[in-house]
Amino acid sequence: DAKTTQPPSMDCAEGRAANLPCNHSTISGNEYVYWYRQIHSQGPQYIIHGLKNNETNEMASLIITEDRKSSTLILPHATLRDTAVYYCFGGSQGNLIFGKGTKLSVKP
Amino acid sequence: KAGVTQTPRYLIKTRGQQVTLSCSPISGHRSVSWYQQTPGQGLQFLFEYFSETQRNKGNFPGRFSGRQFSNSRSEMNVSTLELGDSALYLCASSLAEQRSYEQYFGPGTRLTVT
Repeated sequence: DAKTTQPPSMDCAEGRAANLPCNHSTISGNEYVYWYRQIHSQGPQYIIHGLKNNETNEMASLIITEDRKSSTLILPHATLRDTAVYYCFGGSQGNLIFGKGTKLSVKP
Repeated sequence: KAGVTQTPRYLIKTRGQQVTLSCSPISGHRSVSWYQQTPGQGLQFLFEYFSETQRNKGNFPGRFSGRQFSNSRSEMNVSTLELGDSALYLCASSLAEQRSYEQYFGPGTRLTVT
């Protein structure tokens, strides 16, 4: 599985877009990029995944660079309920291994 | 569609006892995985079941075991509990027949061993 690097923390104003970066320079060609988040004391929540193309769903958008070495998760209109730790990783084997992630704090 | 449910939500046990945790996956999901989450070690994979068969196992001692029933519900058992087993135990289900990172988690069972 790919090694990933994320900033430890970020702040975002409520209603603004939150852009969370992830570096996964060791990702291989068949490994997807996945994003999860974990709100305090709850189970992790799947957000989105992608391989090469940008993806969008009801929760977020995922922008993957052309060389696939990095990606950005975009929460278009962050709310206080989006405050959580966000994890990205790349892999193809199905065993989730969360690193430290990015703690996103959405502030009023 | 109902999400993944886990019971009980909280549990307090003493050292040496055993415990059984239960997980009901999302309807139609046949893969169930178990994870242990602690502040120090983060999220660690325990095992995965698919169609009543364990098809992947993490690096945990034999005191940790699991099973899956024909309706895809799963249980995990921890025998001879140790203080270090105190953790949040998470169950996740997946629709994909191939092992997949697209997993849906339950709220977890918070186990405290005293």
